[in-house]
Amino acid sequence: GAGVSQSPRYKVAKRGQDVALRCDPISGHVSLFWYQQALGQGPEFLTYFQNEAQLDKSGLPSDRFFAERPEGSVSTLKIQRTQQEDSAVYLCASSLALRLAGGRYEQFFGPGTRLTVL
Amino acid sequence: DQQVKQNSPSLSVQEGRISILNCDYTNSMFDYFLWYKKYPAEGPTFLISISSIKDKNEDGRFTVFLNKSAKHLSLHIVPSQPGDSAVYFCAASAPDKLVFGAGTILRVKS
Repeated sequence: GAGVSQSPRYKVAKRGQDVALRCDPISGHVSLFWYQQALGQGPEFLTYFQNEAQLDKSGLPSDRFFAERPEGSVSTLKIQRTQQEDSAVYLCASSLALRLAGGRYEQFFGPGTRLTVL
Repeated sequence: DQQVKQNSPSLSVQEGRISILNCDYTNSMFDYFLWYKKYPAEGPTFLISISSIKDKNEDGRFTVFLNKSAKHLSLHIVPSQPGDSAVYFCAASAPDKLVFGAGTILRVKS
């Protein structure tokens, strides 16, 4: 497909369970971003990659959250020992490149994965 | 500490009239601002943006205004259409990751 895809679209996990969320960016997009969107809030930055390199993970809320992009395309966000406060929509976005001074590369978002932790 | 604020959770406008969505920010280092539109069960889609060196950018029915001294931007939609009903997010670039506001639900009544 032409857009960013994410799977699964919905995930229900029991507290303490590990989950893995997948993102397929637009082909050729160098940068990939993960955001967390809680109910009634805007997306909040978690981490981003340039190719396979994770350049910023300052938004990851705890060491239970881990993201990887081993071949510079598909990315997985893993959450270990899920807690109820992890319930949110997890959005993935990709862009053609990092933004250069004076320029901008639009971030294209996937539909998100809605995670519910019981 | 919210760096990007959208103080109106919702806005209701009659079809054909102007919709004005507002956004305030606190970080003077932000140098690029964007508006995204989101329908239920879909990801945000880019609408329009503005660089901090400009004070206005227009694209069809959509115009974004930036007032740097007030750290305020607004999105004007003229004329509003029922299909514009969605959640609108203001975002600031810092410098590559985006910082989003909480969103404003726009309802355009026909």
